[in-house]
Amino acid sequence: GNSVTQMEGPVTLSEEAFLTINCTYTATGYPSLFWYVQYPGEGLQLLLKATKADDKGSNKGFEATYRKETTSFHLEKGSVQVSDSAVYFCALSDQQAGTALIFGKGTTLSVSS
Amino acid sequence: EAGVAQSPRYKIIEKRQSVAFWCNPISGHATLYWYQQILGQGPKLLIQFQNNGVVDDSQLPKDRFSAERLKGVDSTLKIQPAKLEDSAVYLCASSLDRVGRGTEAFFGQGTRLTVV
Repeated sequence: GNSVTQMEGPVTLSEEAFLTINCTYTATGYPSLFWYVQYPGEGLQLLLKATKADDKGSNKGFEATYRKETTSFHLEKGSVQVSDSAVYFCALSDQQAGTALIFGKGTTLSVSS
Repeated sequence: EAGVAQSPRYKIIEKRQSVAFWCNPISGHATLYWYQQILGQGPKLLIQFQNNGVVDDSQLPKDRFSAERLKGVDSTLKIQPAKLEDSAVYLCASSLDRVGRGTEAFFGQGTRLTVV
């Protein structure tokens, strides 16, 4: 079946450091890929998405590229801020079947000043 | 635009009791989802509705969980009887269409259930 694997957290960085959170997926069909973020005390919200191979999703300085050859969708940011501290979830959905989002376990990011 | 509304925000019950959660999706959203998020894990789908029909309930423990979406708008999720392992955050989400087709799912803030 379809699944998502994320790197284990927590990830602890200093402000302005480079961030990478790894995400790989297994899919029998053709998935759309997503990163969702959950800030403390708030609900899940979409950060970025990509719907076909080699597409790059970007938002708020975050980027992720849909790599079909490596079945990956790693999240990156060049310079993190304290306000980026949150839990990040990688997710997929099968495009043809229109299935609901399947989430990874989440990676907690903590940024200190 | 108003977001996905859920109530209550918190609930504490004893095992073997019953509990119900309510969700009001964003107006006009055809697809509604209920997820269970156990502490330290990602959300797991319980049930997906398209309008008032069930699309996927393969992971819903039907011996104790039930859900309905009346008139294709509001939805309720019920647990009867509750077990200790049901302690989790229950998330409701909605989208214009199925997310696999590129639409965004919007999540409510969830209901935190503690079973003691």
